[in-house]
Amino acid sequence: DGGITQSPKYLFRKEGQNVTLSCEQNLNHDAMYWYRQDPGQGLRLIYYSQIVNDFQKGDIAEGYSVSREKKESFPLTVTSAQKNPTAFYLCASSLGLAGGNEQFFGPGTRLTVL
Amino acid sequence: AQSVTQLDSHVSVSEGTPVLLRCNYSSSYSPSLFWYVQHPNKGLQLLLKYTSAATLVKGINGFEAEFKKSETSFHLTKPSAHMSDAAEYFCVVSDQPGGSYIPTFGRGTSLIVHP
Repeated sequence: DGGITQSPKYLFRKEGQNVTLSCEQNLNHDAMYWYRQDPGQGLRLIYYSQIVNDFQKGDIAEGYSVSREKKESFPLTVTSAQKNPTAFYLCASSLGLAGGNEQFFGPGTRLTVL
Repeated sequence: AQSVTQLDSHVSVSEGTPVLLRCNYSSSYSPSLFWYVQHPNKGLQLLLKYTSAATLVKGINGFEAEFKKSETSFHLTKPSAHMSDAAEYFCVVSDQPGGSYIPTFGRGTSLIVHP
């Protein structure tokens, strides 16, 4: 089955730790995205990537980092510089950054800071 | 710059009655518009999309939306609500000169369905 997988489903982090969230897709999509979801705020874009070895900051990139070494993988690292990382994180992909291309979403990772 | 406003944070209906979720957008170009649904602790699923073809768009699960340029609206409707429709709904606008379309999400509308 084609789709997007995210792991882990739940993640707990201690203060000062970096953690990495995994996102893999087998849809052969060029574009991938990371969003943060907080109650009542919709989805906010953290980073996006149009192609391998290229990525751009979104609206709330501070405290996060990404890499895009393979087309199918777009991991997100939440660094200790992110002061309020507790949230639901969603990864998505699309054919490309063109009008009309729908996004396909993974099931999400819930990150909690202890 | 593009933006999208979902006019209601919560909508409550009884099972079997019509559903109306309102969305207004702002765009300087010819936008693409989407509605997604999210069930609790899940990812988002596409309900329907508008991309400058027919203004009345039919989606999955009996939902439809009408693009009204004069009103800059893209409201989501369903004739008869089902208990399984209870979820969070997001309206999304996407436009950008030069072909690089970065979607902007509304804050979401929580649909509550009473038996």
